[in-house]
Amino acid sequence: QKEVEQNSGPLSVPEGAIASLNCTYSDRVSQSFFWYRQYSGKSPELIMSIYSNGDKEDGRFTAQLNKASQYVSLLIRDSQPSDSATYLCAVTMDSNYQLIWGAGTKLIIKP
Amino acid sequence: GAVVSQHPSRVICKSGTSVKIECRSLDFQATTMFWYRQFPKKSLMLMATSNEGSKATYEQGVEKDKFLINHASLTLSTLTVTSAHPEDSSFYICSAPINDLNSPLHFGNGTRLTVT
Repeated sequence: QKEVEQNSGPLSVPEGAIASLNCTYSDRVSQSFFWYRQYSGKSPELIMSIYSNGDKEDGRFTAQLNKASQYVSLLIRDSQPSDSATYLCAVTMDSNYQLIWGAGTKLIIKP
Repeated sequence: GAVVSQHPSRVICKSGTSVKIECRSLDFQATTMFWYRQFPKKSLMLMATSNEGSKATYEQGVEKDKFLINHASLTLSTLTVTSAHPEDSSFYICSAPINDLNSPLHFGNGTRLTVT
């Protein structure tokens, strides 16, 4: 069964520190990897997409992909209280681009 | 950037009635739209894939006669919850890929349905 695994948390990080969120996936042929942020009662919003091995940086966010180890991570530098949310990892699997979602990690940034 | 507009944002209805939720792509054409459902503190559950001009593809366990999907144009998909029951109360969210199916999804703002 195709799976995307995330630690449900909550992950508590002091303001200004680096928050590290991790996601593992089961399908070796996965092609596209996404991180979404979801505030309580709101719909998800795209934070980062990554398609090849290595790091991809966008402002305070860095996505890291390691296909050999089948994990993708999201680093948030200089964490702010407004970063407190649930972070969803999503991975496309197989040739039909089926999108599989992780259960999400709840992140709490403490002032 | 691409915007997906979803209406209504909240709806309260009585048991046995039907509710229609609209999802529009505002500045791009969406041949495919996805309808999700989310219960409190749970992750997204894909209900169905809406395809313009053809029948929707429903996920296992989702009743197609209860959740009617119509995707009559490249910019509009609708989800109708028929004969609603309290257990249908949930957060319904539509989304569409900005380009091909390998691209990120853009989400509507969601519809909070409460069935009394």
